[in-house]
Amino acid sequence: DADVTQTPRNRITKTGKRIMLECSQTKGHDRMYWYRQDPGLGLQLIYYSFDVKDINKGEISDGYSVSRQAQAKFSLSLESAIPNQTALYFCATSDRTEANTGELFFGEGSRLTVL
Amino acid sequence: AQSVTQLDSQVPVFEEAPVELRCNYSSSVSVYLFWYVQYPNQGLQLLLKYLSGSTLVKGINGFEAEFNKSQTSFHLRKPSVHISDTAEYFCAVKPGSNYKLTFGKGTLLTVNP
Repeated sequence: DADVTQTPRNRITKTGKRIMLECSQTKGHDRMYWYRQDPGLGLQLIYYSFDVKDINKGEISDGYSVSRQAQAKFSLSLESAIPNQTALYFCATSDRTEANTGELFFGEGSRLTVL
Repeated sequence: AQSVTQLDSQVPVFEEAPVELRCNYSSSVSVYLFWYVQYPNQGLQLLLKYLSGSTLVKGINGFEAEFNKSQTSFHLRKPSVHISDTAEYFCAVKPGSNYKLTFGKGTLLTVNP
């Protein structure tokens, strides 16, 4: 089983719908992140959380919200999806000591299409 | 703020040929440097990293990278590529005292038979 699991892996939805992407990890890491990947643009940070009570906005948080339900779970919500949120979304984790060295552990991604 | 420029968006090569994927960065402070690889339909995984010490860093699958502070570069090399190296490669930079990892836009390496 993967250490960082994302669900769903693929989702097609319509404009205006609420969508939740879920991430769970078995690595025991305290830090979790949500990134968005668009072709040719690399990865952009949406939100990050250093522990259950510490949640922070990243570069592109508008239109997104997150919830850290437990140390192992971090979900990303789109309250009212729009077509330009069509992208590949990645959850990642890091340990607080490893975070200083920058190594992130990624899930396999959730491909979201908003029609 | 730091930034990363990957100079080539796509690099096609033939199997067993050498390859270099170029990465330049800018930062006002000292940085840590990384290369991540994304195989088709998978998440990213760490290929190698430079934190300090020797400027030549060896990673998994025969890849290596050299940190050049004067040229602010961290180019990735492999002397002989395989079909299985076909993937997208991302260079990333992190200021030493900061959590934030900044990624480049990626280079798609396609290895042809």
